[in-house]
Amino acid sequence: AQKVTQAQTEISVVEKEDVTLDCVYETRDTTYYLFWYKQPPSGELVFLIRRNSFDEQNEISGRYSWNFQKSTSSFNFTITASQVVDSAVYFCALSEYLNQAGTALIFGKGTTLSVSS
Amino acid sequence: EAQVTQNPRYLITVTGKKLTVTCSQNMNHEYMSWYRQDPGLGLRQIYYSMNVEVTDKGDVPEGYKVSRKEKRNFPLILESPSPNQTSLYFCASSRTSPNEQFFGPGTRLTVL
Repeated sequence: AQKVTQAQTEISVVEKEDVTLDCVYETRDTTYYLFWYKQPPSGELVFLIRRNSFDEQNEISGRYSWNFQKSTSSFNFTITASQVVDSAVYFCALSEYLNQAGTALIFGKGTTLSVSS
Repeated sequence: EAQVTQNPRYLITVTGKKLTVTCSQNMNHEYMSWYRQDPGLGLRQIYYSMNVEVTDKGDVPEGYKVSRKEKRNFPLILESPSPNQTSLYFCASSRTSPNEQFFGPGTRLTVL
């Protein structure tokens, strides 16, 4: 069965520290997509990135970077020089093909990141 | 502004009283979905819909109904709510799947 594991339940860092959020997934599909979402204290879910299984290039967007390693089924997320505004719950998700009706997102249980000043 | 809206945002109700949570998107998205979020369990899919009149069950459909009569709307219906349906509910839409899903602001439901 498809599964996403975020082993780190909570992480606390001090501002300007770098932090990596781990995500490990299981899937039988050869084509799949991986996502990261952010949920700040206000509660909304904010899309951060989508990566397909054929694209293993690392991606950097400002202070955010993602490391996708198919060999270890991991899609880790690093925040460089963390800021208080990065405090949120971060979810990793995997697309699961259901049927012609489409796909579903299988979410990990989330990692709560607290950044203190 | 492109968005997914949900109403109500907060609802306190009693066991057995039928309720509907509305969801509407203005992006002409084909794919819509409902999730519930519970502490320690993350988000779990309830129902999804690929297009008008095409719906299917997700991981936790028991106690819920949906309909997709129009492309933009995807209401979630609880015919006889129970306390274990107390949760935070999110509606989401995407152009197709498995593209980026846009989430609504969430509906916090308490069933007493």
